[in-house]
This record gives sequence, structure tokens and C-alpha cells, in this order.
Amino acid sequence: LAKTTQPISMDSYEGQEVNITCSHNNIATNDYITWYQQFPSQGPRFIIQGYKTKVTNEVASLFIPADRKSSTLSLPRVSLSDTAVYYCLVGFNTGGFKTIFGAGTRLFVKA
Amino acid sequence: TAGITQAPTSQILAAGRSMTLRCTQDMRHNAMYWYRQDLGLGLRLIHYSNTAGTTGKGEVPDGYSVSRANTDDFPLTLASAVPSQTSVYFCASSDGTGDADTQYFGPGTRLTVL
Repeated sequence: LAKTTQPISMDSYEGQEVNITCSHNNIATNDYITWYQQFPSQGPRFIIQGYKTKVTNEVASLFIPADRKSSTLSLPRVSLSDTAVYYCLVGFNTGGFKTIFGAGTRLFVKA
Repeated sequence: TAGITQAPTSQILAAGRSMTLRCTQDMRHNAMYWYRQDLGLGLRLIHYSNTAGTTGKGEVPDGYSVSRANTDDFPLTLASAVPSQTSVYFCASSDGTGDADTQYFGPGTRLTVL
């Protein structure tokens, strides 16, 4: 299972774009990259997933360079409600035991 | 659709007592998981189940047991609780098929062992 490295914490202000980069040097050919968001006292929630290049949905964008050894989660125009912990996971569907959650990145959005 | 439900929401348990944390999903997902999350830390996988009738050990399985008698339910049992098992426990499920998979989490159970 590929290990990931993310910044422990980040601060931002409302309305700014936030980019959180995750390193996964040992990513395997079949691995997908998935990001989750966790608010206090709640379980993690899926944000976005990708394999290569760029993926965009209504919440975020995910940028993956050609070598796939890192990925960047981009949150456009954050608000106070985006304050949460963001986890980067790398894994492949092996029938149920796939990925390891690290400590994540604690994003704090200020007014 | 309820998704994943967990019970109880919270519990205080005396050390040495046993307890079963309940988890039910209504999405007909094949795979289910139990994680624990300690204060300020990420989630650590305790046990998982690929399909009904099968279970496997995760990163921190000691002191816990699970069963998967059917698709919907995945109870986690602490046979003899110890204070180090004080944590928030999350149950999750996923479709378990295809190349990429997404896990859906329950609201968690906050367990305090005294």
C-alpha cells in the first residue's frame, strides 16, 4: 500500500483558492488517488477521485502530474465551512482492504 | 436512504466489560470496514470484510473481533475492554467492485473505557 505525505495544517482566508499537495512516491500502476473531507464529530466524506491528469467536480479539482508521484487538491473560493481535515489516499480495489488514512491536512479558514 | 447507521452514538464502559458496536448499511455494499480514530490522529483500520461471510484483519485488530453474517450488518465486539480502546469508532462500506472504490462512513460511536 502506497504511503502518502501531506502538510499537517494549512490556514487560509475566505474567498481564497486553497491547494493541498499530497506526495505518493510509491504509487503503483493500478492505484487511484482519492481525497476525503472530515468535519469534527463526523465520519470522512468522499470529495474527489482520479487516476491521471485533471478531474473536476462541483466541489473541487484534482491535479495529477504525468508521473503520478503527487497530486493536488484545489478548493476554489473557500468559505468558513470548508474548515476540516482533508485526507489523501492511494490505493486499488483489492476486494475490500485497499487504503490507509494518514493524519491528513487540517485546513483552517479564517474570516 | 439512511446509508450507514451506527449504534450507540456514545458509550461509557467499565474496563473488563464486553461490548458490541453495531453497524448497518442499506446500500447493498459488498465491503465493510471498522476504523478507530484517536484524538488528533487519522483513521486506523481495525477489521474489514470483503463480502458476507468473510472478514480480515486491518492495521490494529488486537482486542477486537467482527462477524459478517449478512450483507447489511458488521458488528464490532470488544471482548474485554481496556482504557486504550477509548476512541471514536467509524464504520464504513464500499461497493468493493471495479478499479476505483469509494468508502461511505457512518456517524461514529464515541467509546470511553474507564
